[in-house]
Amino acid sequence: GDSVTQMEGPVTLSEEAFLTINCTYTATGYPSLFWYVQYPGEGLQLLLKATKADDKGSNKGFEATYRKETTSFHLEKGSVQVSDSAVYFCALRPNQAGTALIFGKGTTLSVSS
Amino acid sequence: SAVISQKPSRDICQRGTSLTIQCQVDSQVTMMFWYRQQPGQSLTLIATANQGSEATYESGFVIDKFPISRPNLTFSTLTVSNMSPEDSSIYLCSVTSAGGRETQYFGPGTRLLVL
Repeated sequence: GDSVTQMEGPVTLSEEAFLTINCTYTATGYPSLFWYVQYPGEGLQLLLKATKADDKGSNKGFEATYRKETTSFHLEKGSVQVSDSAVYFCALRPNQAGTALIFGKGTTLSVSS
Repeated sequence: SAVISQKPSRDICQRGTSLTIQCQVDSQVTMMFWYRQQPGQSLTLIATANQGSEATYESGFVIDKFPISRPNLTFSTLTVSNMSPEDSSIYLCSVTSAGGRETQYFGPGTRLLVL
């Protein structure tokens, strides 16, 4: 079945460092891909999304490009802030209407000043 | 977008009891889902709540343990029955609209601790 694999965490960075969180997927057809973020004590929020190959999703300085050839959707940010400390989830929706998101295990990011 | 509220936001329950969680959406939505997030873990889909018919459960989840209702397009309930400490989790309601191909939004979650 469809699945999402994320890099293991936790990821610990200093402020202004470059961030990459790897995400690869297995799916039939052309799924939609998402990154969600969960700040401490808060609910899940959509960070960005891409619905077809070569699309780039971006928000709050974060970017991810839908790479069908490598089945990847890596999350990047050029300069992280302490406020970016959170758990990041990569997810896919299979190319079938009415199906729920499938999530990766999540990656905890901790940014220190 | 959709604004989702859940009640209760948190609860502490005794083993063997049941808790019903409510999910209310501010607009009519096509699909409603219930997820579980165990401590430090990812989100696992429990079931899809179908309006006017029985919910569709994922492998490992059964109706007797997690009965679900969806009486209309804006409301659903999830009951966690005969609870044990292993049921301690965050339970999240999630929705999509526009034929189910749009963004999936999540409620704030219900934090359940079973003693």
